[in-house]
Amino acid sequence: SQQGEEDPQALSIQEGENATMNCSYKTSINNLQWYRQNSGRGLVHLILIRSNEREKHSGRLRVTLDTSKKSSSLLITASRAADTASYFCATDGRRDDKIIFGKGTRLHILP
Amino acid sequence: KAGVTQTPRYLIKTRGQQVTLSCSPISGHRSVSWYQQTPGQGLQFLFEYFSETQRNKGNFPGRFSGRQFSNSRSEMNVSTLELGDSALYLCASSVPPSGANVLTFGAGSRLTVL
Repeated sequence: SQQGEEDPQALSIQEGENATMNCSYKTSINNLQWYRQNSGRGLVHLILIRSNEREKHSGRLRVTLDTSKKSSSLLITASRAADTASYFCATDGRRDDKIIFGKGTRLHILP
Repeated sequence: KAGVTQTPRYLIKTRGQQVTLSCSPISGHRSVSWYQQTPGQGLQFLFEYFSETQRNKGNFPGRFSGRQFSNSRSEMNVSTLELGDSALYLCASSVPPSGANVLTFGAGSRLTVL
């Protein structure tokens, strides 16, 4: 079964606005990652946050992790047209370290 | 350095046939994972190989199989194809096995079953 569930399923915002996507998971994890996929191509790694970290930044990306709520959020600031893509969270569990992906959030940046 | 290479990129098969997909990982990467992506189910984990051994397996029927060679290249095979096997099959490599390691994905093999 899926470990991560992203919310919302789809999001449309104006260019320049901030985009926030959320991910919830079910079991204890070692790490949580976010990936981006452009139109049916391979996924590209964005950022990894470990279970003992609460927040991480990379350029215009900010990821938070709340292990007590089993949730994470990805914030993209000052969105650009090139950010239009699907975003997936991926987790590896403490009992089972295979990396499992959620169904993703489709982000559309409007010009 | 070269990325993850998947071949073929596109293929069309008919029900009942079998298919073999190939994945060449990044040089130095010894772990290879396979995922099936469909619009309805998202990315589903198929299996992971490390040092020619299957480390992890997803919940797919026995028609789905894979293997890894000594040079870390991997193949997956689907026998007795069904319409529902139409999907984008993604391969990803990492240095050691999964976990706190970043997966590098190939562009995928898009399989259409008629």
